[in-house]
Amino acid sequence: EDQVTQSPEALRLQEGESSSLNCSYTVSGLRGLFWYRQDPGKGPEFLFTLYSAGEEKEKERLKATLTKKESFLHITAPKPEDSATYLCAVQARTGNQFYFGTGTSLTVIP
Amino acid sequence: ETGVTQSPTHLIKTRGQQVTLRCSSQSGHNTVSWYQQALGQGPQFIFQYYREEENGRGNFPPRFSGLQFPNYSSELNVNALELDDSALYLCASSSGPEDDTQYFGPGTRLTVL
Repeated sequence: EDQVTQSPEALRLQEGESSSLNCSYTVSGLRGLFWYRQDPGKGPEFLFTLYSAGEEKEKERLKATLTKKESFLHITAPKPEDSATYLCAVQARTGNQFYFGTGTSLTVIP
Repeated sequence: ETGVTQSPTHLIKTRGQQVTLRCSSQSGHNTVSWYQQALGQGPQFIFQYYREEENGRGNFPPRFSGLQFPNYSSELNVNALELDDSALYLCASSSGPEDDTQYFGPGTRLTVL
């Protein structure tokens, strides 16, 4: 069964304190792994797509990496505006369905 | 280029009623997917429409149905509402069923009393 597990559920960081969020997955043939940011009461905002193990992508203070079983979202020197829930999703090669994790709620304290 | 829009923003219904939620896809996108997101959970896939036909369905009962129109807009209909249907309903559009990038709308918050 295709599934996605994210950890930790919640993370509080001081401004400037770097950390990583984890997304472990099981899928019958990975088409892509996706990271989204979601602010309270809003729809998810697309961040990254990763396709194969070893791939990395960066955007401002965020860097996403992928292995055969998990992905990490590294946050370097976070700012309060990075506070949000970060969602991970996978899409299998067969079918059109995206499977989402429950997210990591990140709070960055000034 | 316009983004994905949804209406209404909020909706309150009572158990047993029917509801229709609307989504306008991003310009040029012919594929729309609908998701249910309960509080504190990740989005759960309901179904996808491509060129006005259902193109995949998640583990939701038949009382959840949809339509997609030639102008790329779409509807999610839910009959016989239950308390557990209270959630944020999201639509996401993409340029094709195998396009990996989905763009989400702001969602409709449905409360069933």
